Amino acid sequence: EADIYQTPRYLVIGTGKKITLECSQTMGHDKMYWYQQDPGMELHLIHYSYGVNSTEKGDLSSESTVSRIRTEHFPLTLESARPSHTSQYLCASSEWESETGVTGELFFGEGSRLTVL
Amino acid sequence: GQQLNQSPQSMFIQEGEDVSMNCTSSSIFNTWLWYKQDPGEGPVLLIALYKAGELTSNGRLTAQFGITRKDSFLNISASIPSDVGIYFCAGQRAGGTSYGKLTFGQGTILTVHP
Repeated sequence: EADIYQTPRYLVIGTGKKITLECSQTMGHDKMYWYQQDPGMELHLIHYSYGVNSTEKGDLSSESTVSRIRTEHFPLTLESARPSHTSQYLCASSEWESETGVTGELFFGEGSRLTVL
Repeated sequence: GQQLNQSPQSMFIQEGEDVSMNCTSSSIFNTWLWYKQDPGEGPVLLIALYKAGELTSNGRLTAQFGITRKDSFLNISASIPSDVGIYFCAGQRAGGTSYGKLTFGQGTILTVHP
């Protein structure tokens, strides 16, 4: 079972509020990711990090920001939430390369479902 | 834009039937992975493929990495009700800028009738 945790699991807020979605992993993985997923739809990469102080934009443009001050922690922040931000946000981490070679497996958290009214 | 085409989008089958789904791309991939997502949960890895032509099984699941490196399929044999969920293919495209990043297919929603 993956040791990656997201809070909150569900959040309903009003337009204009600032929110932070928390993500923590205890596996010591350097690589961490944020994906956005609408119900029943594909996952879109919005942010990723290859280690402390490393953050990059993903393939899907997002108004959210991320930080990576500690290896185990990769929070996502929306300064001013809007209804268009309503979605599920999935955090993941990866070892990517193990001692035996490339693994490529992403371990996902359970997701944070955000609803902006 | 969309880089992985996954089909079918949904399947309704009877318990005991076999299931087949696939992903194709116009790009070459170095890695193919198949994930399953249950409602309200994050995706969980089912099978990982790292070599062109590789055929790998995990219980009732079998997946193959296409020879052209542009496609992969997943088969589920003798389906059971707990197979219900959304199945995603994912891959890492060849090329340095894609290292460490996965692209996901649109998903196949599987419903199994008892």
